[in-house]
Amino acid sequence: AQSVAQPEDQVNVAEGNPLTVKCTYSVSGNPYLFWYVQYPNRGLQFLLKYITGDNLVKGSYGFEAEFNKSQTSFHLKKPSALVSDSALYFCAVRPMYNFNKFYFGSGTKLNVKP
Amino acid sequence: GAGVSQSPSNKVTEKGKDVELRCDPISGHTALYWYRQSLGQGLEFLIYFQGNSAPDKSGLPSDRFSAERTGGSVSTLTIQRTQQEDSAVYLCASSRAGTGGTEAFFGQGTRLTVV
Repeated sequence: AQSVAQPEDQVNVAEGNPLTVKCTYSVSGNPYLFWYVQYPNRGLQFLLKYITGDNLVKGSYGFEAEFNKSQTSFHLKKPSALVSDSALYFCAVRPMYNFNKFYFGSGTKLNVKP
Repeated sequence: GAGVSQSPSNKVTEKGKDVELRCDPISGHTALYWYRQSLGQGLEFLIYFQGNSAPDKSGLPSDRFSAERTGGSVSTLTIQRTQQEDSAVYLCASSRAGTGGTEAFFGQGTRLTVV
């Protein structure tokens, strides 16, 4: 079965500090990996994706993510957090052999304090 | 349009009534998805359209739920005889067809409350 795990319901960081939001996945074959952000009362907004190639991918708003095949992880990172980064973050995976759906993690609430 | 549009943004309905939720995808996007997000929960897949066909309906919770898509564009999700457990935010997303590496773009959702 395909699954995505976001082990932390909530992550708290101080503004200016680096942040990491964790994601691990279980999927048959090679996956396509995505991060989305959701602000209150809004839909999901695409941040970045890993398809192939360089394991470090860069996306919107200064976010980046590192694909680690051996650890089946795709952690989201940012060198210096902003208060405006506070939101709900979702990791998603899409198996290469099945384009029918994205499998989402349960979400991680990021709180950035001034 | 510029983005995925969903209507209504909010819907309050009485238990037992039928509701229709509408999704207008990004122009030219042939793939369309419906997801459900319950309070404090992640996203639950409902159905996937490729053009007007729905090759994956595996997430529809019961036969009270149905969806259609016409003209390869607008999609309607219908819930019959609504129950309180149907209360959730219903999200629609669209993407260009082709490969699984294509990201999906989400609408703002319809918040359904069954009273």
